[in-house]
Amino acid sequence: DTGVSQDPRHKITKRGQNVTFRCDPISEHNRLYWYRQTLGQGPEFLTYFQNEAQLEKSRLLSDRFSAERPKGSFSTLEIQRTEQGDSAMYLCASSSDTSYSPLHFGNGTRLTVT
Amino acid sequence: DAKTTQPPSMDCAEGRAANLPCNHSTISGNEYVYWYRQIHSQGPQYIIHGLKNNETNEMASLIITEDRKSSTLILPHATLRDTAVYYCIVRTLNSGYSTLTFGKGTMLLVSP
Repeated sequence: DTGVSQDPRHKITKRGQNVTFRCDPISEHNRLYWYRQTLGQGPEFLTYFQNEAQLEKSRLLSDRFSAERPKGSFSTLEIQRTEQGDSAMYLCASSSDTSYSPLHFGNGTRLTVT
Repeated sequence: DAKTTQPPSMDCAEGRAANLPCNHSTISGNEYVYWYRQIHSQGPQYIIHGLKNNETNEMASLIITEDRKSSTLILPHATLRDTAVYYCIVRTLNSGYSTLTFGKGTMLLVSP
C-alpha cells in the first residue's frame, strides 16, 4: 500500500496525559498537512510542512500541540496535557509540490480523552 | 477561499446516477473546484477537480457551469459503497501552497 499511513488508528488516554501520533506520507510527496475532525464537522486545518519546514500553523493549534517532520519524511503530532476537548479524529495528508496537486489523506487517528 | 453551499443530504437509488450540486457564486478566476468524499471512519478521498472545463475520470464527472458559479458532481451508476459525505471545496492556487477548507458537505445515501 503506497498511501498515507497513520499510527495508531485509535488512542484512548486519560486527561492530562501526553499523546503522540505518527504519519508516513506518500514517499515522493514533499508537502504534509495535519487536520482535525470532530463529530459531524468537516476536517479543519492544523498545520503544514514543506519538507522539514513547518510553514503554517492554524490558530487551532494551541501551545499544547507540537508537530515535527525532522527529516522531511514522516511527521509526528504531539498533544501535551490532553483535555476532553481534544477528542477528535486527527488526519494527515500529503501532496506533491505541484500547486494544484490534490491532497491525499490517511485514515486518521481517533483520539478519545477520558 | 470562496465559500461553497451544498445540500445537507441526498438520496439515490442503487444503479442510478447521483448528481450532487454545489454553489460557489463568489469563486474567482484562480480558484479550482475540488471534490472529496469521506466514508464513515475513513479519511477524505480525493475524487476530481477542475477549473472551468468539464472533467471526467474513473470515479466521476465534474460539470462546471459557464459562469463557474456552480458545479455538479456526477456518479454515473451509484453503488451502496458510494454512500458517504461528499465535500465540494474551492481552492485558491498561487505560487505557494494552498490547503483545503472543508464545509459540512452532502451526506449521500445510496439505497438498494
